[in-house]
Amino acid sequence: DVKVTQSSRYLVKRTGEKVFLECVQDMDHENMFWYRQDPGLGLRLIYFSYDVKMKEKGDIPEGYSVSREKKERFSLILESASTNQTSMYLCASSFSPVREQYFGPGTRLTVT
Amino acid sequence: GIQVEQSPPDLILQEGANSTLRCNFSDSVNNLQWFHQNPWGQLINLFYIPSGTKQNGRLSATTVATERYSLLYISSSQTTDSGVYFCAVERLKTSGSRLTFGEGTQLTVNP
Repeated sequence: DVKVTQSSRYLVKRTGEKVFLECVQDMDHENMFWYRQDPGLGLRLIYFSYDVKMKEKGDIPEGYSVSREKKERFSLILESASTNQTSMYLCASSFSPVREQYFGPGTRLTVT
Repeated sequence: GIQVEQSPPDLILQEGANSTLRCNFSDSVNNLQWFHQNPWGQLINLFYIPSGTKQNGRLSATTVATERYSLLYISSSQTTDSGVYFCAVERLKTSGSRLTFGEGTQLTVNP
């Protein structure tokens, strides 16, 4: 079975802190994705990566950066957390484009 | 980009009832997935079904790609089926293809 894990289920940070969200997949997938989910706005793609050290902006990249130094790990970075980044963050991976995406359990981030 | 519409937005059932959820999409796609979001927020894969019909226990799905819709059938519903069901589609592009999600169907199954 594919397994996608995220470093924290719940996280509380203060405004201005640098925040790291980690995602690890164990199926040698090429592609990894970060989404955020907000009530009324659905799931929105933040960044994705098709290969190590490669990244592409999704629909809402402002205020975020990413890092993919190893194939199995994709990190989302909030350089200076703000209250409007309070959200549910979901990581996903897939073998290749248009193949099945698998999601991690999510991280509920609260920025106070 | 591709538009994805799910219906109904909300559905309330009694345990044991059957239901059909619909997903319409605006362009041809290479990937279509159905997910169930559990109460803890995780998206659980139900079906990867860009075309054809699949069944898994009480759940089945059919995608008619030429008519741009997919249906998810839930039979003999149980309270544990409650949650939000999402349809998501993807069209292959030379770069940057990604899943586009519908707004979901909120299903409540009462005992």
